[in-house]
Amino acid sequence: NAGVTQTPKFQVLKTGQSMTLQCAQDMNHNSMYWYRQDPGMGLRLIYYSASEGTTDKGEVPNGYNVSRLNKREFSLRLESAAPSQTSVYFCASSSNIGNTIYFGEGSWLTVV
Amino acid sequence: AQSVTQPDIHITVSEGASLELRCNYSYGATPYLFWYVQSPGQGLQLLLKYFSGDTLVQGIKGFEAEFKRSQSSFNLRKPSVHWSDAAEYFCAVVSGGGADGLTFGKGTHLIIQP
Repeated sequence: NAGVTQTPKFQVLKTGQSMTLQCAQDMNHNSMYWYRQDPGMGLRLIYYSASEGTTDKGEVPNGYNVSRLNKREFSLRLESAAPSQTSVYFCASSSNIGNTIYFGEGSWLTVV
Repeated sequence: AQSVTQPDIHITVSEGASLELRCNYSYGATPYLFWYVQSPGQGLQLLLKYFSGDTLVQGIKGFEAEFKRSQSSFNLRKPSVHWSDAAEYFCAVVSGGGADGLTFGKGTHLIIQP
């Protein structure tokens, strides 16, 4: 009963380093999302993928890139990490745009 | 673009008392509305959702919410809270087109007093 699985759960990076957050869902969902959560800001959409082969920018895409590798997997890459990217990152999926969105357990990223 | 406002950043309620968390949205057409709960260090769990039909929706853990179009509100209620309800609660909206996923409110932190 995995649902949405994201790795790593915790990561500390130095400024300027790169890393990729991995996400996979086993619900055969078409749409996938990456959000970041910061204190007092709620969750903000970074990128989404409405279907396999498509990706689009959300509210806060700067400094990030994404890849929809296949229907199951949607990765988020930080090319040159900055302290402002210290946050909790959530991957999510839904059967289609507009339907219920299911979330992973989060990845805590600290950039020093 | 749609937006969601949760006017209360923190709410403190005594165990056993009733609860109402407020949510107002801004969107031209009928939105899809959601309430999620997040326990410390955890992901988000869906409590309930409104797409259409009956404006009073029931969710998990004894929660309910009522959609009021005239007030652009979707308030969450529970008749008697338990200590385990202490968490962060998020209201969210997605437009009918839904191309940009969920738009979240900033959350309400619920504290339960013994």
